[in-house]
Amino acid sequence: LAKTTQPISMDSYEGQEVNITCSHNNIATNDYITWYQQFPSQGPRFIIQGYKTKVTNEVASLFIPADRKSSTLSLPRVSLSDTAVYYCLVGGLSGGYNKLIFGAGTRLAVHP
Amino acid sequence: DAGVIQSPRHEVTEMGQEVTLRCKPISGHDYLFWYRQTMMRGLELLIYFNNNVPIDDSGMPEDRFSAKMPNASFSTLKIQPSEPRDSAVYFCASSLDRVGGSGNTIYFGEGSWLTVV
Repeated sequence: LAKTTQPISMDSYEGQEVNITCSHNNIATNDYITWYQQFPSQGPRFIIQGYKTKVTNEVASLFIPADRKSSTLSLPRVSLSDTAVYYCLVGGLSGGYNKLIFGAGTRLAVHP
Repeated sequence: DAGVIQSPRHEVTEMGQEVTLRCKPISGHDYLFWYRQTMMRGLELLIYFNNNVPIDDSGMPEDRFSAKMPNASFSTLKIQPSEPRDSAVYFCASSLDRVGGSGNTIYFGEGSWLTVV
């Protein structure tokens, strides 16, 4: 399973755009990149998923360069309610098993 | 859709007691996962099932932990005997198909908050 590296924490202010970059140098050809969001006292929640180039939904955008060795989650105009932990995950197959392994995630704090 | 339903939401028990956590996955989902989350270790995958069959239990910490899925709509995670270090949030999750692929995502329940004193 491709290992991911992302910043442990980030700080931002309301109304700013936040970009969280994740490195996944050994991503496999069939791997997709998925981002989850976790609020305190809740389970992780799917945000966005992509394979290459750019994906956008009502919550965020995901930018994936041609080599796919990294990806950037972009949150436009964050608010206090975007304070959460954001996890970058790659693929789902590990040693023949189909599972998702979460890393430490990025703890985003949005300030007034 | 009711989502993944877990019970109990909170439990406080004494060391040595048996703890049973319950999960109802989203109807039609073929995969069920049990995760544990602590401040020190983050989110750890304990075990997952495919079509009610345990596929990978390499994350189960020790023999005190066991999980079953007697049918497609119900799973249990049991700890016997419980110890203070088992205190954590236990999440159940389910997915329609193989995770990581296009359109396939994993849906988490709200978690069961376990405190062993």
